Amino acid sequence: QQQVKQSPQSLIVQKGGISIINCAYENTAFDYFPWYQQFPGKGPALLIAIRPDVSEKKEGRFTISFNKSAKQFSLHIMDSQPGDSATYFCAATEERSSNTGKLIFGQGTTLQVKP
Amino acid sequence: DAGVTQSPTHLIKTRGQQVTLRCSPKSGHDTVSWYQQALGQGPQFIFQYYEEEERQRGNFPDRFSGHQFPNYSSELNVNALLLGDSALYLCASSLVGKNTEAFFGQGTRLTVV
Repeated sequence: QQQVKQSPQSLIVQKGGISIINCAYENTAFDYFPWYQQFPGKGPALLIAIRPDVSEKKEGRFTISFNKSAKQFSLHIMDSQPGDSATYFCAATEERSSNTGKLIFGQGTTLQVKP
Repeated sequence: DAGVTQSPTHLIKTRGQQVTLRCSPKSGHDTVSWYQQALGQGPQFIFQYYEEEERQRGNFPDRFSGHQFPNYSSELNVNALLLGDSALYLCASSLVGKNTEAFFGQGTRLTVV
């Protein structure tokens, strides 16, 4: 019940295209869903996050869509650029009930944007 | 403003040995969490320290232990190293009450041979 399942494992997109990464969870106590971007040799960096009181959040070219009833959320990268090539992780945590913010991560998606 | 810094960046140890990894949190942060990231996997929560005490622990054996110092820096110790302990060890810092806003360091790559 603590798992977060992420797909696809890898993704190749042409420059200017839309990259879509999906995640699903089971624990209904999760109430904070961040996405992290990780470049080789670096730690994960927070990209964008959403709470279940909204169905969509947009920051620049990055959008999270959230479906509470289906227990799914996804990251959309519009106008994908070669500089977006990285590994993306979805995560979830129990923000209200936990005092630690322990993150449960998905398995990661390696995105390659071809020029 | 220095972010989260970890040392060393790379480390090679022999099976059965002990290792200590270090983390300095982002300025102003008082909470440190440790994660293990195996190759090709997402990070897994090891434990979190606040006020020099372990607040929560993930599903890791007692061979993994930690410490937090009065200046909020932290150490991760792993005893009796196994080949399966080879991974990237990430430190994340946050401010108590805002633990979802965690900043990660670049990690320490541990290789056990």
